[in-house]
Amino acid sequence: AQRVTQPEKLLSVFKGAPVELKCNYSYSGSPELFWYVQYSRQRLQLLLRHISRESIKGFTADLNKGETSFHLKKPFAQEEDSAMYYCALSGRGTASKLTFGTGTRLQVTL
Amino acid sequence: DVKVTQSSRYLVKRTGEKVFLECVQDMDHENMFWYRQDPGLGLRLIYFSYDVKMKEKGDIPEGYSVSREKKERFSLILESASTNQTSMYLCASSLSPPRGTYNEQFFGPGTRLTVL
Repeated sequence: AQRVTQPEKLLSVFKGAPVELKCNYSYSGSPELFWYVQYSRQRLQLLLRHISRESIKGFTADLNKGETSFHLKKPFAQEEDSAMYYCALSGRGTASKLTFGTGTRLQVTL
Repeated sequence: DVKVTQSSRYLVKRTGEKVFLECVQDMDHENMFWYRQDPGLGLRLIYFSYDVKMKEKGDIPEGYSVSREKKERFSLILESASTNQTSMYLCASSLSPPRGTYNEQFFGPGTRLTVL
């Protein structure tokens, strides 16, 4: 069975501080990993995926197969980063079906 | 721009009522999904569909059914609503490879259902 764990329900940081949202997964094969974000009063949307190895809005995430982790990082938090963040996993060959974590609310304060 | 719409933003129903939640997407997506979103539990997949008239159970299908008669429309049905089905319901859609970006799901605004 595949599982995604986000250990923190709430992460509160000051503006300008580094951010790390933790995500660990369990999956027997080679997974595809994603981060989705939901800003206040907006729809859930894709932030980034590991296969693209991209930086979006200053966020990056590296897939660490040894530690089965996919932590989301940003060097300097901004107020507009405050949102709900979900890590998600898809097994290869299971086209489009995602398993989501329980989410972490990021709160960036002045 | 992908557009996924849901029939109601807020809905209040009574225990035992039959409830229909409608979702429509306008981008010719093959895949459609219904999730419920609860604090502390994240998103949990109820049902999904890869094609018209095709459906598969997700992780929590009990108490729900679905219908997909047309490609653009995916309905979630609560046969007899109960108070533990009070939740935010999210619909999503995606393209299948190779037409679409692998696994990017586009979400609707959600329907907040309260069962009294």
